[in-house]
Amino acid sequence: QSVLTQPPSVSGAPGQRVTISCTGSSSNIGAGYNVHWYQQLPRTAPKLLIYDNTNRPSGVPDRFSGSKSGTSASLAITGLQAEDEADYYCQSYDTSLSGSVFGGGTKLTVL
Amino acid sequence: EVELLESGGGLVQPGGSLRLSCAASGFTFSNYAMTWVRQAPGKGLEWVSGITGSGDSGSGERTFYADSVKGRFSISRDNSKNTIYLQMNSLRAEDTAVYHCAKGTNRYISSGLGHWGQGTLVTVSS
Repeated sequence: QSVLTQPPSVSGAPGQRVTISCTGSSSNIGAGYNVHWYQQLPRTAPKLLIYDNTNRPSGVPDRFSGSKSGTSASLAITGLQAEDEADYYCQSYDTSLSGSVFGGGTKLTVL
Repeated sequence: EVELLESGGGLVQPGGSLRLSCAASGFTFSNYAMTWVRQAPGKGLEWVSGITGSGDSGSGERTFYADSVKGRFSISRDNSKNTIYLQMNSLRAEDTAVYHCAKGTNRYISSGLGHWGQGTLVTVSS
């Protein structure tokens, strides 16, 4: 069981908006550590989507956005496209573990 | 352009050892945290180990490990060769995975991982 909890799967139709939650605790997200989000397409290395809670690396469409509140964070994807179908992971640092941790991952299906 | 190239994976028996390498290029290597992340077949990402970048005052790097590998794995970096290493000892079947190295967005271990290598497969089996 991951220290950061994500829903195993979410789905949405093309053009819709979906959100993926990442629930942590007072030793990671709630302690003020930043949350980062990754997209992993099948058979490829993960790609950084959002860093430091809300920032998009260059080249990432503004359809992707991140937020953080308390012990949780969320990734929102608007204008859903077929190519968004992938696995999504959140990541943060955990002070109790003295290391970084990933969420269990969420599989996004575009209907 | 940032490039990360892992090597050293392969088949090893339980209890054996392996050393992974990750050669980096395209950025000022010493300034950035570097991390190993693994992914077992059909499973999610697992953070394995990380090493900080050099501090502003030239302070030494710090190393961090997941509980699952603490005492068995050792991470190091050679800034003169732009390379990080992962020495893996007492390997177990559950260490079987693709191992990716990744570059942090800054020198801290809590940073996001902005660039990833394609990974090297480690298989622990008799």
